[in-house]
Amino acid sequence: DAKTTQPNSMESNEEEPVHLPCNHSTISGTDYIHWYRQLPSQGPEYVIHGLTSNVNNRMASLAIAEDRKSSTLILHRATLRDAAVYYCISTSGTYKYIFGTGTRLKVLA
Amino acid sequence: NAGVMQNPRHLVRRRGQEARLRCSPMKGHSHVYWYRQLPEEGLKFMVYLQKENIIDESGMPKERFSAEFPKEGPSILRIQQVVRGDSAAYFCASSPTTGMGNTIYFGEGSWLTVV
Repeated sequence: DAKTTQPNSMESNEEEPVHLPCNHSTISGTDYIHWYRQLPSQGPEYVIHGLTSNVNNRMASLAIAEDRKSSTLILHRATLRDAAVYYCISTSGTYKYIFGTGTRLKVLA
Repeated sequence: NAGVMQNPRHLVRRRGQEARLRCSPMKGHSHVYWYRQLPEEGLKFMVYLQKENIIDESGMPKERFSAEFPKEGPSILRIQQVVRGDSAAYFCASSPTTGMGNTIYFGEGSWLTVV
């Protein structure tokens, strides 16, 4: 499984887009990129995942670099409820996710 | 559609007691995983179970910890003779399959405090 690197923290203003970066320079061809977020005192919540192509769902978009060595989670309009720790996980395994310390997103009203 | 259900949400045990944490997977999910999160750290994989089988327990401490997923009823993570270092949040997750790109869904967690 590829090691991922994320900034420790980021800030965003409410109603503005947020781009959360993740580096996974050692990713292999079969590794998927998953994003989860964790609110205080709650379990990780699935956000989005992808392999090669950009992905969109109701929560966010995932932009994957052409060389797959990095990706960006995009929240189109941040709300106060989006304040959480965001984890980027790259894994070829199907369940043994390796969680780093993630990016703590602070949303300013 | 109910999510992954864990109980108790909070549990306090004295050193030397036993802790039992229960997990009911999402409907239609037959694969269960347990993760542990120590304070200010990321989650770490402990064990993967299917009904009546432990598939991968490579992340489980060798002593005092055990897990089961019986034919009927929830999965149980059991910690015997708890010590202060066992204080953590324990998360259960489940999935319908284990194919490539498989997504696992987490419960709200059980917070164990050992005093």
